[in-house]
Amino acid sequence: GDSVTQMEGPVTLSEEAFLTINCTYTATGYPSLFWYVQYPGEGLQLLLKATKADDKGSNKGFEATYRKETTSFHLEKGSVQVSDSAVYFCALRGTGANNLFFGTGTRLTVIP
Amino acid sequence: EPEVTQTPSHQVTQMGQEVILRCVPISNHLYFYWYRQILGQKVEFLVSFYNNEISEKSEIFDDQFSVERPDGSNFTLKIRSTKLEDSAMYFCASSALRGGSTGELFFGEGSRLTVL
Repeated sequence: GDSVTQMEGPVTLSEEAFLTINCTYTATGYPSLFWYVQYPGEGLQLLLKATKADDKGSNKGFEATYRKETTSFHLEKGSVQVSDSAVYFCALRGTGANNLFFGTGTRLTVIP
Repeated sequence: EPEVTQTPSHQVTQMGQEVILRCVPISNHLYFYWYRQILGQKVEFLVSFYNNEISEKSEIFDDQFSVERPDGSNFTLKIRSTKLEDSAMYFCASSALRGGSTGELFFGEGSRLTVL
């Protein structure tokens, strides 16, 4: 069945460091891929998405490229800020499906 | 900005008790969902709801669970007889389109359920 495997956390980085959070997936067909973020005290929010192979989703300086050959959708940011501290969830929606499959979430803490 | 709100934020209950978790979805949304996350595990889909009926459910959503939209604004998840393994964070979500055809489900902050 469809599933997502996400890099275990927590991740602690200094401000302005480079961030990568790995995400790989298993799915049949052509899934859509997402990154959600949960800031402290808030709900999950869509951060970015990609709906087909080689698409790059981007938002707030974060990027992720849909790589079908490696079944990956790694999240990257060139220079993290303290305000990026949150839990990041990789998610997948299968072809024609209604619901999302999520990873376990990766907690990021950015220290000044 | 419209948001999904959930109550309570945290509930502690004894095993065997009934629990109702409440959600107010975004007002013009038509599709409603419950997900849960047991500590340290993945966020798991429980159920989706459209047009006053369940449209899809996972194998987790067994007979002890039920959902309803009693008054056109609230969307509730009832757990009839709680078990220890029901302890989790429960997330409500809503979308304007099926599956959020743009992918965007709007989530609440979650309700943490602790079963003792």
